[in-house]
Amino acid sequence: GAVVSQHPSRVICKSGTSVKIECRSLDFQATTMFWYRQFPKKSLMLMATSNEGSKATYEQGVEKDKFLINHASLTLSTLTVTSAHPEDSSFYICSASLRSYNEQFFGPGTRLTVL
Amino acid sequence: GQNIDQPTEMTATEGAIVQINCTYQTSGFNGLFWYQQHAGEAPTFLSYNVLDGLEEKGRFSSFLSRSKGYSYLLLKELQMKDSASYLCAVNRRGGATNKLIFGTGTLLAVQP
Repeated sequence: GAVVSQHPSRVICKSGTSVKIECRSLDFQATTMFWYRQFPKKSLMLMATSNEGSKATYEQGVEKDKFLINHASLTLSTLTVTSAHPEDSSFYICSASLRSYNEQFFGPGTRLTVL
Repeated sequence: GQNIDQPTEMTATEGAIVQINCTYQTSGFNGLFWYQQHAGEAPTFLSYNVLDGLEEKGRFSSFLSRSKGYSYLLLKELQMKDSASYLCAVNRRGGATNKLIFGTGTLLAVQP
């Protein structure tokens, strides 16, 4: 199956700093990548949908200026959490698909802890 | 609006069969996925239904009734390693891009 990686797997940062999370599709070209957030014992919440070469589409309630998404190539999307605060601490998961209506392949997730 | 409901927790015995239900209300329905997620890990794909009926894959089966907005995941011959969260996700058409809308997840505990 298709493999998606995320880096870093775990990050701890101070409040007010920015954190970048990378999502890569290793063996296929992903036209669409998705970013999710998952709080403890909760389900995945879609944050934004990212198509290569175009601006991300954010879900209602997600601040686009706080969560910057860049999808510069067919194998890489990045999520930058700007001016992170403790309430941003969460498990961030990306997924990738070959076409927008196909199965999504999930990355292993990034655990962000903001002190 | 959209709404996807699953039981929060279930308990079952090793070797037994368990059925996890999922009901949904959504526009633009384009199929339903089931994922397994162990704590601290990403979801892994189990099944996909877009037409009514039963899809069987080894110890796992998934059923869909579009008219009733209902699906279930059936796990047979339960093993301890099946203890995990099971997520029902509706694939929803949204403009140019389909999106997955996840249910709350069902935490399954398999006991000896």
